[in-house]
Amino acid sequence: EIVLTQSPTTTAASPGEKVTITCLASSSISNMYWYQQKSGASPKLLIYSTSSLASGVPDRFSGSGSGTSYSLTINTMEAEDAATYYCQQWTSNPPTFGAGTKLEL
Amino acid sequence: EVQLVESGGGLVQPGRSLKLSCVASGFTFSNFGMNWIRQAPGKGLEWVAYISSGSSYIFYAETVKGRFNISRDNAKNTLYLQMTSLRSEDTALYYCARPNSGYDYWGQGVMVTVSS
Repeated sequence: EIVLTQSPTTTAASPGEKVTITCLASSSISNMYWYQQKSGASPKLLIYSTSSLASGVPDRFSGSGSGTSYSLTINTMEAEDAATYYCQQWTSNPPTFGAGTKLEL
Repeated sequence: EVQLVESGGGLVQPGRSLKLSCVASGFTFSNFGMNWIRQAPGKGLEWVAYISSGSSYIFYAETVKGRFNISRDNAKNTLYLQMTSLRSEDTALYYCARPNSGYDYWGQGVMVTVSS
């Protein structure tokens, strides 16, 4: 199975700061998905097909990457962005998730 | 509005069985494959199983293969997960999720606790 390695594991940012989370795949994949999970809530789709913004997601979020290296960027951190972020692939079975990046304010 | 509502969780002893349900509304359930994804307390997300729209294709994680059975009833807009031979490591919040360019809708989750 494809292993996704996220970094950092935990990070903190102040309002207005730029945040980048990376996800490295153990083999080349064609697309990456990103989810945001706030405490006590279900995960929410942020980015699909590597760089497309899901419905209702603010445009301060963006995704990029190819091959084995992908990233999620928050252009200007806001307080409501404090959450855990997960990358996910389904290029090959089984679908796998990264271990998560906890973003603190 | 798309809704996915899970039920059927609870406390169960190791080796016993439990059946989860997920009732879908707000979309044409029979047009979509569906997944179960779980999250152990304080841990990350783990995909568990997938079933195609017409039940022709079914896949399981290696950790549950042979013990869990995913099924669906399109007439009832309901997804199921029959779990047998439960282990302590199956303790988790179980989500049903719709795959549509990523998992675009998730239920609120149902807790399964395996303990004696």
